[in-house]
Amino acid sequence: EAEVAQSPRYKITEKSQAVAFWCDPISGHATLYWYRQILGQGPELLVQFQDESVVDDSQLPKDRFSAERLKGVDSTLKIQPAELGDSAMYLCASSLAGLAGRETQYFGPGTRLLVL
Amino acid sequence: AQKITQTQPGMFVQEKEAVTLDCTYDTSDPSYGLFWYKQPSSGEMIFLIYQGSYDQQNATEGRYSLNFQKARKSANLVISASQLGDSAMYFCAMRPGGSEKLVFGKGTKLTVNP
Repeated sequence: EAEVAQSPRYKITEKSQAVAFWCDPISGHATLYWYRQILGQGPELLVQFQDESVVDDSQLPKDRFSAERLKGVDSTLKIQPAELGDSAMYLCASSLAGLAGRETQYFGPGTRLLVL
Repeated sequence: AQKITQTQPGMFVQEKEAVTLDCTYDTSDPSYGLFWYKQPSSGEMIFLIYQGSYDQQNATEGRYSLNFQKARKSANLVISASQLGDSAMYFCAMRPGGSEKLVFGKGTKLTVNP
């Protein structure tokens, strides 16, 4: 069964350092999403890509976060510099383009980030 | 703006019993979809069940069913015959019509006791 792959699964870093997360969506899925999930909360969308283009990055803190999907396949989310409040789970999801009805997003296992 | 409210931070149920997890939503869109996801401690969000705003019947998927009350804007998840493996966080989410974006609630932690 096809899955969304993410790496690393866990990351510990010190504040002010740079971190990067990688996501490989399910083959054929044109839409890719990055979510941030703070402990005790539901996931919140950071950025959405359609192929290589950003569709929605309204909740992405652009002063320190960046995301790219250069070839419209895998994607990288970067934080520089990391702050204590960035400690969270970062989830990647993918879906077919033009979701309708019961079609849903498929999530990866996430990257747990701890900033010290 | 769309909003999902899950008022139960934690729920406990005995193995083999049924449990209901509450979800209310707020939207002005006439068309929307409602989803439930399960998140085990491993972190992955697992899709469980979907209900469309125009669906006439409540959705069912195996041991999962959705009690959809449109006038009350509620979409409660019912898990029948609970199993130990059902212990996890459960999230209700909404996707407005014409959007691919999911809006999640804060989740409910379900613990199934033997």
